[in-house]
Amino acid sequence: KAGVTQTPRYLIKTRGQQVTLSCSPISGHRSVSWYQQTPGQGLQFLFEYFSETQRNKGNFPGRFSGRQFSNSRSEMNVSTLELGDSALYLCASSPVTGLVGGELFFGEGSRLTVL
Amino acid sequence: AQSVTQLDSQVPVFEEAPVELRCNYSSSVSVYLFWYVQYPNQGLQLLLKYLSGSTLVKGINGFEAEFNKSQTSFHLRKPSVHISDTAEYFCAVLGGSNYKLTFGKGTLLTVNP
Repeated sequence: KAGVTQTPRYLIKTRGQQVTLSCSPISGHRSVSWYQQTPGQGLQFLFEYFSETQRNKGNFPGRFSGRQFSNSRSEMNVSTLELGDSALYLCASSPVTGLVGGELFFGEGSRLTVL
Repeated sequence: AQSVTQLDSQVPVFEEAPVELRCNYSSSVSVYLFWYVQYPNQGLQLLLKYLSGSTLVKGINGFEAEFNKSQTSFHLRKPSVHISDTAEYFCAVLGGSNYKLTFGKGTLLTVNP
């Protein structure tokens, strides 16, 4: 069974640009969550989607957005990039929403560098 | 709201020595507790989880953790570590009405020969 796939793995952008990251969950998983990982803040929850609906949202500005498609694939978008957006963005999938009794399966992440 | 505190940001040990990585949590409701491991340039992988039942939980790679409700702790232990255990370890708590997984800041375990 293929794991969680994130693309691209590495990317470099400049301030003010926007970026779109993609995540393909494990087959059969309907929940996709996104996390931002930085050395200073650790892992911070961005949002969770289940069946194309946003179920949970973290404390990030509106520049951060996401969506989920009918095949459970998810994208997240960051507009008007700032230097502080440089981070590893991790996607995780789960067969159920709310993670009740379950676990998250993580991809290897997309490392974004903003210059 | 729940929170997680990992008391040590870095733990250096020698190979074959025992190790304990400490984790304390706070939550006003019942929680589920997890330990994840992140190897360099990789995503996170679940080591073990506590949902209910026995307070001693065994995970992969010889790790185990003990849930202590009175001390609100979930410390991770391994009796004898290997070089390959070098990684960052994250404690996480799931609880509350929104079932959001909250991670600690991580503990970097470095195993030296």
